[in-house]
Amino acid sequence: NAGVTQTPKFRVLKTGQSMTLLCAQDMNHEYMYWYRQDPGMGLRLIHYSVGEGTTAKGEVPDGYNVSRLKKQNFLLGLESAAPSQTSVYFCASRRPWVRTIAPDEQYFGPGTRLTVT
Amino acid sequence: EDQVTQSPEALRLQEGESSSLNCSYTVSGLRGLFWYRQDPGKGPEFLFTLYSAGEEKEKERLKATLTKKESFLHITAPKPEDSATYLCAVQAGNQFYFGTGTSLTVIP
Repeated sequence: NAGVTQTPKFRVLKTGQSMTLLCAQDMNHEYMYWYRQDPGMGLRLIHYSVGEGTTAKGEVPDGYNVSRLKKQNFLLGLESAAPSQTSVYFCASRRPWVRTIAPDEQYFGPGTRLTVT
Repeated sequence: EDQVTQSPEALRLQEGESSSLNCSYTVSGLRGLFWYRQDPGKGPEFLFTLYSAGEEKEKERLKATLTKKESFLHITAPKPEDSATYLCAVQAGNQFYFGTGTSLTVIP
């Protein structure tokens, strides 16, 4: 199993450009997440999905859109990139929480380093 | 407001010098507390899940404990390969809230 993979690994954008980050998982997980990680801020949730065709906002959703057309893929889009979106982006996936079983951890991808100039 | 605070921000230990990392939290409807290890340039790697106050989990030189307000990650006789950033996260509903991490350096 490859686990969680992210494409691309690095990207440089100019202000106003758009791009899509791809996250793929081969563990048949229902839940998928997009985070950004900035120095001194920790990981912050952007958007998440609890199943194919569903998405929801996290802590910092502004400026981002997501889509979950297939269970194994979760796409993060930046329509008009801004320097404030310079960050490292992580995708994660997990199984649903079941009350009778201890909650399952998230599995993280290797990250995408995005620089917006 | 759901919040996770980790301390210290950075910790330098001599090899073999035991210590503890702290994670304090305020969250409504805690479903679980998670510890992750993150190496530079990589994604977080799962270490432990704790669900109930009083629960403890161990893995090699690491031991995690949980109370109603905080969790500790105890590191016994650390080795240089334990150097990494350790992240704490709490789950509330379907969302996860992370602390800013403790950067641990173990000096040979």
